[in-house]
Amino acid sequence: ETGVTQSPTHLIKTRGQQVTLRCSSQSGHNTVSWYQQALGQGPQFIFQYYREEENGRGNFPPRFSGLQFPNYSSELNVNALELDDSALYLCASSQGQQHGYTFGSGTRLTVV
Amino acid sequence: KNQVEQSPQSLIILEGKNCTLQCNYTVSPFSNLRWYKQDTGRGPVSLTIMTFSENTKSNGRYTATLDADTKQSSLHITASQLSDSASYICVVINNAGNMLTFGGGTRLMVKP
Repeated sequence: ETGVTQSPTHLIKTRGQQVTLRCSSQSGHNTVSWYQQALGQGPQFIFQYYREEENGRGNFPPRFSGLQFPNYSSELNVNALELDDSALYLCASSQGQQHGYTFGSGTRLTVV
Repeated sequence: KNQVEQSPQSLIILEGKNCTLQCNYTVSPFSNLRWYKQDTGRGPVSLTIMTFSENTKSNGRYTATLDADTKQSSLHITASQLSDSASYICVVINNAGNMLTFGGGTRLMVKP
């Protein structure tokens, strides 16, 4: 059984650019969610996908968007990057709300 | 507004000692409350999952308690080890299971 894998592990982008982060869910998990974690702070919920549909969203602007694919893997897209978008982006998958979330190791995004 | 507050923000204890971390939340109604351990630069790892009807749950040296009336939870670590040094994050999931609210975490350092 494979866990949650995220790619890339590190990324440097310039302000104004667009970025796509990828997440492969754990086998058998149909729910995936994304989080932004600034240095020294707890994660902030961005959104959640269940069976390819967004079914929950935190307080993030529309330039944060996502996709979930039929194999339940997922992408996080961020447009018009800002310096404050620099953070660790975590992905987690689950079999459902009563089950545990398995987190990936994250993608460290630096916007310069 | 849904909030999860954790205390203390940071804690230093000697190896072998016990400690208790606190979590207060305003998320209502909620489905379950989870404690995670996060090593630096890594994704969070689940320690316990508690529904509103559960008062206590143990996982090895970790024991979580929940008081749904006062909206408080605690994580007690017994006989601390150097490897317990990490951030401990309290997460509350809403009733619909589509919104996760994270606390800011408690940064624990265990010294020899």
